[in-house]
Amino acid sequence: DTGVSQDPRHKITKRGQNVTFRCDPISEHNRLYWYRQTLGQGPEFLTYFQNEAQLEKSRLLSDRFSAERPKGSFSTLEIQRTEQGDSAMYLCASSFSTNQETQYFGPGTRLLVL
Amino acid sequence: AQRVTQPEKLLSVFKGAPVELKCNYSYSGSPELFWYVQYSRQRLQLLLRHISRESIKGFTADLNKGETSFHLKKPFAQEEDSAMYYCATQGGSEKLVFGKGTKLTVNP
Repeated sequence: DTGVSQDPRHKITKRGQNVTFRCDPISEHNRLYWYRQTLGQGPEFLTYFQNEAQLEKSRLLSDRFSAERPKGSFSTLEIQRTEQGDSAMYLCASSFSTNQETQYFGPGTRLLVL
Repeated sequence: AQRVTQPEKLLSVFKGAPVELKCNYSYSGSPELFWYVQYSRQRLQLLLRHISRESIKGFTADLNKGETSFHLKKPFAQEEDSAMYYCATQGGSEKLVFGKGTKLTVNP
């Protein structure tokens, strides 16, 4: 499968724990995006990278959230001190770096915070 | 700020009937517009986008700048069209702004 992959697909954690998710984009894609989707809502933008540079962050991204893309390939999204409100599907997408290119989505990581 | 409104949370039609999924957007400039679809247990995937003006799986969408709408249409719905449909805009930034989605059910 040459599409965007995400790991893990599911994560259950207790409130206050830290979690880290990984996204592997389509190999030729320079841009990588993170979105969050809660029940009954469309995906909401969190942040995006062009190569290793984080170019935009949403106000939704609190200080407990940090994303990295150290070598311009895979990315990690870490949530520290998880809260029940963090329970959601976390989606990763990637695209070429020309403007308004189609974004291709991964299967998502479903997080449940107990 | 960009906003996308999909007024119908649920839409149910019979096979062979026409279907229209509504999408209205707000943005001061000229955004790019997309329809994404998510079939059961599959990932979100692009159905069509305004700039390409393609018809995918029999679906079309026309941009109406006066009404700021980008409604998705298909003349004859098929059972395999049952899915969640999301309208999205992109303008002034590379991020996509999605609506809340419409769940389409096509009954036999």
